[in-house]
Amino acid sequence: GAGVSQSPSNKVTEKGKDVELRCDPISGHTALYWYRQSLGQGLEFLIYFQGNSAPDKSGLPSDRFSAERTGGSVSTLTIQRTQQEDSAVYLCASSTGQGGKTQYFGPGTRLLVL
Amino acid sequence: AQSVTQLGSHVSVSEGALVLLRCNYSSSVPPYLFWYVQYPNQGLQLLLKYTTGATLVKGINGFEAEFKKSETSFHLTKPSAHMSDAAEYFCAVITYNNNDMRFGAGTRLTVKP
Repeated sequence: GAGVSQSPSNKVTEKGKDVELRCDPISGHTALYWYRQSLGQGLEFLIYFQGNSAPDKSGLPSDRFSAERTGGSVSTLTIQRTQQEDSAVYLCASSTGQGGKTQYFGPGTRLLVL
Repeated sequence: AQSVTQLGSHVSVSEGALVLLRCNYSSSVPPYLFWYVQYPNQGLQLLLKYTTGATLVKGINGFEAEFKKSETSFHLTKPSAHMSDAAEYFCAVITYNNNDMRFGAGTRLTVKP
């Protein structure tokens, strides 16, 4: 009965380094979302996975951001050559489908780029 | 694409007073609307949602919201605030044919004793 989990919970990195953030969705959920929450702002959609379909990458802010989902379960969000403006909380959510299906959120990964 | 506007980044009420958090949406097709709550250092938790059917939706912790198509609104209310309601609240919209849930900027609710 575990919810969505994310790791690490906190990550501090130096500008220019690459980081990987992990998301374990709720078992059986076919849809997985990544969002970015910057200080004092709302959530910004990044990418969406649904089953075996090609992901919707329309929200990725630059080509430094990429994500994959292996075996239809665990997802990894990778940020290459991190910049200070990448500092934010990265939230993952999963659901049983798109549209009106409820998205269940993980606790997030707080990324600080020095 | 759909969008959400939350009026008031900060709302302060006294314990026991009415809570009203405002949300207006924009969508070219029928929307699905959500309210999420975020406590410090935690992820988002669903309070309630509207998809179809009854326009008055009841959620957890005594919150409710009413979908008003004519006003493009989905305001969140609670008759009597409790100290434990202090948190950040996000309104969100998505449509049946879209993967992109759009969130408002959030409203931080403070409850004074």
